[in-house]
Amino acid sequence: TQLLEQSPQFLSIQEGENLTVYCNSSSVFSSLQWYRQEPGEGPVLLVTVVTGGEVKKLKRLTFQFGDARKDSSLHITAAQPGDTGLYLCATTYKYIFGTGTRLKVLA
Amino acid sequence: NAGVTQTPKFRILKIGQSMTLQCTQDMNHNYMYWYRQDPGMGLKLIYYSVGAGITDKGEVPNGYNVSRSTTEDFPLRLELAAPSQTSVYFCASSYSKLKGYNEQFFGPGTRLTVL
Repeated sequence: TQLLEQSPQFLSIQEGENLTVYCNSSSVFSSLQWYRQEPGEGPVLLVTVVTGGEVKKLKRLTFQFGDARKDSSLHITAAQPGDTGLYLCATTYKYIFGTGTRLKVLA
Repeated sequence: NAGVTQTPKFRILKIGQSMTLQCTQDMNHNYMYWYRQDPGMGLKLIYYSVGAGITDKGEVPNGYNVSRSTTEDFPLRLELAAPSQTSVYFCASSYSKLKGYNEQFFGPGTRLTVL
């Protein structure tokens, strides 16, 4: 059983489109993190959300932590080819990572 | 600062061989981790360490061993390599957990193939 389920698994969109990816669990977490991993490299932390209902913005990326602290979403506005990569959610409880969403933004 | 460095970058092993994946960090982090990432998947924790001389098992420890004799180094040992250990291995480090969350800094990975 996967503790963190991410959807969709794959996403291919045109430059300029908006998208949302999701990270869901049946468990409650004190915090969730989002990482981005580019091909051939290790993941890099984008954000940590710690409060239910919290919304954090990082330029064109908006992260939300669900009110019940069981889920999180990442919304990208006007996607660019530089956003291409594997997006992973993770919890520091037992250091569990989700399966990831592989995003490809076409120019 | 170099951050987290891993060697080698690539390695091919025959079934039954053994090897050590090296990991070094220069950020004076006391937490260090080893993960494996199978194709198209997220990361699974193999072992972690909260400081020199202290190690603990993660989600998938079987077939691996670790040691932590210094703050900087956290080698991962594979004994009797098996095809199921074909994967990309990532080492990471972080400061002490604060309020239950911390940022992990990852190395570039070691791509291991067992034939």
